[in-house]
Amino acid sequence: GAGVSQSPRYKVAKRGQDVALRCDPISGHVSLFWYQQALGQGPEFLTYFQNEAQLDKSGLPSDRFFAERPEGSVSTLKIQRTQQEDSAVYLCASSYTEGRAEAFFGQGTRLTVV
Amino acid sequence: QKEVEQDPGPLSVPEGAIVSLNCTYSNSAFQYFMWYRQYSRKGPELLMYTYSSGNKEDGRFTAQVDKSSKYISLFIRDSQPSDSATYLCAMSDFSGNTGKLIFGQGTTLQVKP
Repeated sequence: GAGVSQSPRYKVAKRGQDVALRCDPISGHVSLFWYQQALGQGPEFLTYFQNEAQLDKSGLPSDRFFAERPEGSVSTLKIQRTQQEDSAVYLCASSYTEGRAEAFFGQGTRLTVV
Repeated sequence: QKEVEQDPGPLSVPEGAIVSLNCTYSNSAFQYFMWYRQYSRKGPELLMYTYSSGNKEDGRFTAQVDKSSKYISLFIRDSQPSDSATYLCAMSDFSGNTGKLIFGQGTTLQVKP
């Protein structure tokens, strides 16, 4: 597709359940980012991939959060044992070079933990 | 104190008005500055991208960066109801080859017909 695609668009999880969020970046884009956006706030950085290498995971809030991009294209963000504070919109973005370039965002996955 | 400060608004203007949106920041290493527009329940859409200080114009939009004051602005001329959205400033120093963006909180803009 022409843009960054994320699935599912909406996810409701019971507290304690594991979830997996998928991101299909723009074809050929080297860099991939995950951000978390709480209601009424700007996105906050979670992690960054350059191809298949996870170069920065400093924003992951706990060891319950795990991200991978095994073949340098599609990425998955996994949250284990979800908590209510994990409720947010999870945004994926990609850019065509290693840093120093505009990042294009997907529509996000809205996660609600009940 | 947050690295990037942005007044959340809301800001309400009549159609045709000139809109000024602003952000201040504290990290002098930031060199790349962006403005994103985000409609309700949508992802952020890149509007403007500026490197270092100066002005950049694209249609009705003008982005200004004043690194000496650590202050960036987005001006929207002849505002339209379709401009009603949340506007996010974002910036980066691209150090460590990470490219992560630091966002402001976002300003909600409403343009009334």
